[in-house]
Amino acid sequence: DAKTTQPTSMDCAEGRAANLPCNHSTISGNEYVYWYRQIHSQGPQYIIHGLKNNETNEMASLIITEDRKSSTLILPHATLRDTAVYYCIATDSNYQLIWGAGTKLIIKP
Amino acid sequence: ETGVTQSPTHLIKTRGQQVTLRCSSQSGHNTVSWYQQALGQGPQFIFQYYREEENGRGNFPPRFSGLQFPNYSSELNVNALELDDSALYLCASSTGPPRVVGGYTFGSGTRLTVV
Repeated sequence: DAKTTQPTSMDCAEGRAANLPCNHSTISGNEYVYWYRQIHSQGPQYIIHGLKNNETNEMASLIITEDRKSSTLILPHATLRDTAVYYCIATDSNYQLIWGAGTKLIIKP
Repeated sequence: ETGVTQSPTHLIKTRGQQVTLRCSSQSGHNTVSWYQQALGQGPQFIFQYYREEENGRGNFPPRFSGLQFPNYSSELNVNALELDDSALYLCASSTGPPRVVGGYTFGSGTRLTVV
């Protein structure tokens, strides 16, 4: 089963791009990478997922390296409301989400 | 509004008691998963149901059990509560089936405290 590692915490200035890294060096070829975030006292919110290609939606962009050993979530114009814990997650062999401790992202004015 | 509603929002129980947590999903969400989240940690998968049958289970003892109903609601039951069961319990649903890739919609959770 894949395991992901993320920095414990990061800061970003409001209005700048927030780049959140994730390592998943043991990921297998058919395991997707998901990103969720959790704002304090709320349930996790789905952001984006990908397999091989870079992905973009209205919330964020996901850049996956060619060897698939790491990825970066990009929030293009961070706002104070983006302060949250961000989880980079890989699925296990049964397609269940395996969560780590996540990155606490603090957006500063 | 997330479309997934959990009740109650907070609950205090005594060690050894039994508890039932409830989740109401959106119409058409045939897959529901339950997670336990201890303070400061990521969610841990408890089990998943698809069309009223258990479809996968994490590393939790049998005193954690569940049900899914035809009206897209589900329950998590925990017997013989222990202090370590104190956590945020999250319900997540999707249109499924479980092995189709896609995002889950989470509820806001039930905060269970065992004293």
